[in-house]
Amino acid sequence: EAGVTQFPSHSVIEKGQTVTLRCDPISGHDNLYWYRRVMGKEIKFLLHFVKESKQDESGMPNNRFLAERTGGTYSTLKVQPAELEDSGVYFCASSRDWGPLHFGNGTRLTVT
Amino acid sequence: ELKVEQNPLFLSMQEGKNYTIYCNYSTTSDRLYWYRQDPGKSLESLFVLLSNGAVKQEGRLMASLDTKARLSTLHITAAVHDLSATYFCAAHNTGNQFYFGTGTSLTVIP
Repeated sequence: EAGVTQFPSHSVIEKGQTVTLRCDPISGHDNLYWYRRVMGKEIKFLLHFVKESKQDESGMPNNRFLAERTGGTYSTLKVQPAELEDSGVYFCASSRDWGPLHFGNGTRLTVT
Repeated sequence: ELKVEQNPLFLSMQEGKNYTIYCNYSTTSDRLYWYRQDPGKSLESLFVLLSNGAVKQEGRLMASLDTKARLSTLHITAAVHDLSATYFCAAHNTGNQFYFGTGTSLTVIP
């Protein structure tokens, strides 16, 4: 089975610009999660989709972050406008029912 | 919200030695996961621990869970270089949410 794929793997943007991250989960996985890790800190929960619905978005830092999951398949996470503190590695993970998370390789975002 | 504390953050150990990574969590969790991450790669699931007293072993790694103490440990026996990686624990709650620790960056030196 194909794994979770994320695109791009790296992104360097200037403060104020917009970036969109994409995640393709494993086929058949209804649960899709976004996480962020800032250097040396914990992997912090951002939000959780079940199919196309947002189950929990309590971890989204502010309204500059917008996540969507079209048709319950792939998901995008848009940051607009980006700030310096948004830098970090953004992970996407998917799971079937209550199973373990399967992670993508992450997108390293650098805001300068 | 579940808080997960992991220690140590950094661990440098000699080949052949034993060591333990600790993972404490703040409130009730119905299962505990351990993941491994190699640089630039995704997190790979190592173990899932479902009940008090659960113990899982794979090669030189052994994980255990004490739900009363809200503590899980990952014990490394006779470390080898291939075990160098970052290890994360994650506590799962009944809302199907996963809460991660800060990770332990392990370096095994000859």
